[in-house]
Amino acid sequence: SQQGEEDPQALSIQEGENATMNCSYKTSINNLQWYRQNSGRGLVHLILIRSNEREKHSGRLRVTLDTSKKSSSLLITASRAADTASYFCATAASGSRLTFGEGTQLTVNP
Amino acid sequence: GAVVSQHPSWVICKSGTSVKIECRSLDFQATTMFWYRQFPKQSLMLMATSNEGSKATYEQGVEKDKFLINHASLTLSTLTVTSAHPEDSSFYICSARSRGLAGGMTYEQYFGPGTRLTVT
Repeated sequence: SQQGEEDPQALSIQEGENATMNCSYKTSINNLQWYRQNSGRGLVHLILIRSNEREKHSGRLRVTLDTSKKSSSLLITASRAADTASYFCATAASGSRLTFGEGTQLTVNP
Repeated sequence: GAVVSQHPSWVICKSGTSVKIECRSLDFQATTMFWYRQFPKQSLMLMATSNEGSKATYEQGVEKDKFLINHASLTLSTLTVTSAHPEDSSFYICSARSRGLAGGMTYEQYFGPGTRLTVT
């Protein structure tokens, strides 16, 4: 079964608004990571949250993890047009293998 | 730091030919490298995991004789798509993971910029 299912699939907001993306997974994890991908480019690592952590911040990013619900959320505050990209969550179990979610396409309109 | 490069960034080849894609870790030693494939507007699908000096581990459904992976050094892994067909056209992305402090594994993977393969 697919790990890391994300919603919404697409999100369109105005500059300055907050963007929230959600990720759900099915099996136990060691950590969960969020990545960003600009169109046709590679992935940029945003943030990693371990299974024993509940919340983590990095600049305008806030990630939460609820292992009881097997879900995570990524909040981008005060969004900018440059935040337009696809955002993927990826889960890691006991090994190093990452399983990616389907991704959320975020469009921030100026 | 932690830069991963891929070469070429894009390639067009004819059906039936083979194409080699290189993945290099520029400023760290990558004990493990991963190869992903991504179709348009879809997520990344792991194809195989390679550890330096050993055979790659392929995911279910990925033909190891078609997608040859070589991880001959701690900074270089190559993916060769043999006898390419149009359905192999995709975006291929590698990632690399290094050893952390005191020899332990780190969790973070560093991704290359990807290689766009088009088979005509």
